[in-house]
Amino acid sequence: DADVTQTPRNRITKTGKRIMLECSQTKGHDRMYWYRQDPGLGLQLIYYSFDVKDINKGEISDGYSVSRQAQAKFSLSLESAIPNQTALYFCATIVGAGELFFGEGSRLTVL
Amino acid sequence: GNSVTQMEGPVTLSEEAFLTINCTYTATGYPSLFWYVQYPGEGLQLLLKATKADDKGSNKGFEATYRKETTSFHLEKGSVQVSDSAVYFCACHNTGRRALTFGSGTRLQVQP
Repeated sequence: DADVTQTPRNRITKTGKRIMLECSQTKGHDRMYWYRQDPGLGLQLIYYSFDVKDINKGEISDGYSVSRQAQAKFSLSLESAIPNQTALYFCATIVGAGELFFGEGSRLTVL
Repeated sequence: GNSVTQMEGPVTLSEEAFLTINCTYTATGYPSLFWYVQYPGEGLQLLLKATKADDKGSNKGFEATYRKETTSFHLEKGSVQVSDSAVYFCACHNTGRRALTFGSGTRLQVQP
């Protein structure tokens, strides 16, 4: 079983729709992250959480929200999707001093 | 805040060629430095790391040395293979800072 699981892996949706990307981890780590990857721009941090009650905005949080339902689950929502949110989204946990363990990614296309 | 600059790609090499991907960073204090690799269709995975000046990280034939004086962490491999084709990300992290800072990634294409 994968240590960090993201669902869905691929999603196509229309402008204005609400979308939720889910992430779960089996490692028991406290810290979880959501990143966005665009070609040529590397990874940009959207939100991160240190525990269920500690949620923080990253570099590009506008248009996104998150929910930490339990230590193992960290969901990313797009309340009203727009085309420039088309990207590859990664969830990650931190396994050591700065060492991130990534899920396989969720590819989102907003038409 | 921290920043990481990588050489732009794509880098195209023939099999068995020597690889260098440049990475420089801006950070306060003494950050830890990382190289992550992303194979096609997969998430990122840690390739190697170094936590203090002059440390050399190594894995799978790749090496990088933490150079404090030049604020660099260049990735090298003596003989690349087709299977090394991937996107490589340099990253830095200060103890206490809450997240890593990534470079923009460098795509490596190795031709047979």
